[in-house]
Amino acid sequence: QKEVEQNSGPLSVPEGAIASLNCTYSDRVSQSFFWYRQYSGKSPELIMSIYSNGDKEDGRFTAQLNKASQYVSLLIRDSQPSDSATYLCAVNAKVTFGTGTKLQVIP
Amino acid sequence: DTGVSQDPRHKITKRGQNVTFRCDPISEHNRLYWYRQTLGQGPEFLTYFQNEAQLEKSRLLSDRFSAERPKGSFSTLEIQRTEQGDSAMYLCASSTTEGDEQFFGPGTRLTVL
Repeated sequence: QKEVEQNSGPLSVPEGAIASLNCTYSDRVSQSFFWYRQYSGKSPELIMSIYSNGDKEDGRFTAQLNKASQYVSLLIRDSQPSDSATYLCAVNAKVTFGTGTKLQVIP
Repeated sequence: DTGVSQDPRHKITKRGQNVTFRCDPISEHNRLYWYRQTLGQGPEFLTYFQNEAQLEKSRLLSDRFSAERPKGSFSTLEIQRTEQGDSAMYLCASSTTEGDEQFFGPGTRLTVL
C-alpha cells in the first residue's frame, strides 16, 4: 500500500462547477496535511494546509480532513480554466507526496 | 524576490559527469529539503537539513548523491558519475519548523545524455 494515494485522473469538470479531489494516507499518526498545485513544467505551489479534523476554507478552496478514516480532500468551488493543473496531496513533515490528480476545467 | 531560488534552472550533462545544484532558501527558514520528481510522479524526498545539520537521507538515495548546507543558509546537491536514470526535476523547499508549510523553489531540470 502506498503511503499517500490519489486518483491520477484526469478529473474533468465544467467551468463554474465544484471539483472534488481526494487523498488517502496509510500512516495513522500523521499530523500535517497539505495540498499543492502544480502546473506543467513548474514546481509545486502550496495552496492549503490542514492539521485538525474538519473543514478549512480559503477563498474558493476548502480542505477537509478525517483522521479516523485517513482521508483528506480538497474542494474547489466555481472552478476556472486557470485551475487546470495537477493537485498533489502531501502528508507530514518530510512531505510524502501522492502522485497527484490532474484536473481539467472545461470552459 | 524573497522566495526559494535554485541554480541552474536547467542542466544537460553527459553520463558519467558530476553535477552540482544550488538552493537558496527563504532567509528566515531553518529547514531545507531536497526532492526529486520524474514525469507523472509526485516529488520524492531525498534529504533535509535543519540549519547546517543533515537530519535524514532517503534510503533510496544512492551514494553518488551528497548534499551540504555548510553555514545553515544555502545548500548544494551534488550527483557524481551521473546516469541516465538521474534525469529528473530536482526541487528544493524550505520551512520554518517541522510540520510547517514548505515552499518550493522553481527546480533544476537535469537531463543526462
